[in-house]
Amino acid sequence: AQSVSQHNHHVILSEAASLELGCNYSYGGTVNLFWYVQYPGQHLQLLLKYFSGDPLVKGIKGFEAEFIKSKFSFNLRKPSVQWSDTAEYFCAVTMRFGAGTRLTVKP
Amino acid sequence: DAMVIQNPRYQVTQFGKPVTLSCSQTLNHNVMYWYQQKSSQAPKLLFHYYDKDFNNEADTPDNFQSRRPNTSFCFLDIRSPGLGDAAMYLCATSIGVYNEQFFGPGTRLTVL
Repeated sequence: AQSVSQHNHHVILSEAASLELGCNYSYGGTVNLFWYVQYPGQHLQLLLKYFSGDPLVKGIKGFEAEFIKSKFSFNLRKPSVQWSDTAEYFCAVTMRFGAGTRLTVKP
Repeated sequence: DAMVIQNPRYQVTQFGKPVTLSCSQTLNHNVMYWYQQKSSQAPKLLFHYYDKDFNNEADTPDNFQSRRPNTSFCFLDIRSPGLGDAAMYLCATSIGVYNEQFFGPGTRLTVL
């Protein structure tokens, strides 16, 4: 069965710090990979996606993610976080979701 | 604006009393999903409709049923809610099952 693991439950950073959130999945076939974000009081929305091609994908608000097939990973990165990035981040493989990582950015 | 709407946003029911949650969409997407999300856990897929074809997850309890009378609407019926069914229920839509999903705001269900 497909599963998605997000290892960090809660990450706390100061503004301008770099961010990397881990995501690993277990599925041997072709995968469509997603990162979704949920800002406080809002509903889940797409941050970025990977279907094929360049394994480094760029999303909204300066986020990017790298697909490493050999590691079954799709980690999310941002070079310099802002207070407005405070949110919950979910990794998904097609329609299966990870448990989410809560990011708190201190001003 | 095209969107996914869930009603009600908050629902309180009694143990064992049937409840129906509603989802509608103006996106004209052919796939609609229902997820159950408990605190600090992953959204758990209950089932999805691909057009009129119903796809149930193997571990979704029989207590949960769904109806999709037309493209725009999808309902989640919980026949006999238990305390363990208290959760946020999310509806989502997509074009095909492999594409990005568009989510509604969710319905928070409380079972007394």
